[in-house]
Amino acid sequence: GAGVSQSPSNKVTEKGKDVELRCDPISGHTALYWYRQSLGQGLEFLIYFQGNSAPDKSGLPSDRFSAERTGGSVSTLTIQRTQQEDSAVYLCASSPRGGNTEAFFGQGTRLTVV
Amino acid sequence: AQSVAQPEDQVNVAEGNPLTVKCTYSVSGNPYLFWYVQYPNRGLQFLLKYITGDNLVKGSYGFEAEFNKSQTSFHLKKPSALVSDSALYFCAVRDLGGYQKVTFGTGTKLQVIP
Repeated sequence: GAGVSQSPSNKVTEKGKDVELRCDPISGHTALYWYRQSLGQGLEFLIYFQGNSAPDKSGLPSDRFSAERTGGSVSTLTIQRTQQEDSAVYLCASSPRGGNTEAFFGQGTRLTVV
Repeated sequence: AQSVAQPEDQVNVAEGNPLTVKCTYSVSGNPYLFWYVQYPNRGLQFLLKYITGDNLVKGSYGFEAEFNKSQTSFHLKKPSALVSDSALYFCAVRDLGGYQKVTFGTGTKLQVIP
């Protein structure tokens, strides 16, 4: 596709349920980022993938959060046993490696935990 | 570790007046620097970047930014603010070496008053 695609665009889930958020980066982009943004607030870094290197998981807020990237392309962010404080917009971005190109963002997944 | 600071949570400016949104950074080597804008209920859009060369960078919508190596700053500027410039602005830095992760600031809300 032409841009970063995220699905679903909106997700409402019950507290305690697990959710999976998907990100399809721009083809050929080796770097992939997940961020979290609470309403009108700043970007909270979650995790960063770069090619085949070990991901930088330093931003994951708890062990309920995990992410994987299969085949160096699609990424899934999983939140287990969701809590109300997990409600936010989850943003994915991708960029080429080693270049001076900016990161391209998807439109995000709005997660609401009720 | 690299970092970005946006010291102002919000900046208010009258329409037609010049605006400045501040950003300082810290990296171990030479930086790539970026500004992004997020309009209400929209995704993040790239505004401009500094890679090398002229310290004054021009970008979209009449914005510009000045790279100052000695002050490790990359302030966003516009000579004459428009009400439509009201949005959330994010500064970001990417270290040329190492992991090449992009780190974002916490964002500054710009409010242009008619």
